[in-house]
Amino acid sequence: EDQVTQSPEALRLQEGESSSLNCSYTVSGLRGLFWYRQDPGKGPEFLFTLYSAGEEKEKERLKATLTKKESFLHITAPKPEDSATYLCAVQPPQGAQKLVFGQGTRLTINP
Amino acid sequence: DAGVIQSPRHEVTEMGQEVTLRCKPISGHNSLFWYRQTMMRGLELLIYFNNNVPIDDSGMPEDRFSAKMPNASFSTLKIQPSEPRDSAVYFCASSMGYQETQYFGPGTRLLVL
Repeated sequence: EDQVTQSPEALRLQEGESSSLNCSYTVSGLRGLFWYRQDPGKGPEFLFTLYSAGEEKEKERLKATLTKKESFLHITAPKPEDSATYLCAVQPPQGAQKLVFGQGTRLTINP
Repeated sequence: DAGVIQSPRHEVTEMGQEVTLRCKPISGHNSLFWYRQTMMRGLELLIYFNNNVPIDDSGMPEDRFSAKMPNASFSTLKIQPSEPRDSAVYFCASSMGYQETQYFGPGTRLLVL
């Protein structure tokens, strides 16, 4: 069964304190891995798609990387507005529209 | 550009009542997805449509749930009769093409008393 595990469940950082969120997955023949940001009371907002090991993508203070078994979302010098829940989802090759989501990491950035 | 539109944003109803959730996908997108999000189970796919045709409804919890997509710009998710355990946030998402990025709506927060 395809599984996605995110760690930590929650992370509290000081403004400017860089860190990484982890998403590990067990799926054969990954087609794509997605990162979303979700603010309270809102729908998930698309951030990145990664397709192959070694691939990296950046957006402002966020950088996503992918290996054969996990993905990291690195956040550099975060600001309070980066506080949100970050969701990872994998897209297996069979039934490729069926994203499998992790439980998310709740990130809090204190000023 | 307008994103995915969902209505109502909040719904409070009593057990046994019928609930209808509505979704308008992004114009030009031909795939539509219904998800449910709870604290215990996270985001779960209920059903998805491609070109208005239901492709996989294996995530629909039971026969009380049904979904339709009469045209490319409108879909409904109906629960009849509703039960307290159906309380959750229901999201609609759409994508352009079979395997492309899914964009989510703001969700409908459902509370069944």
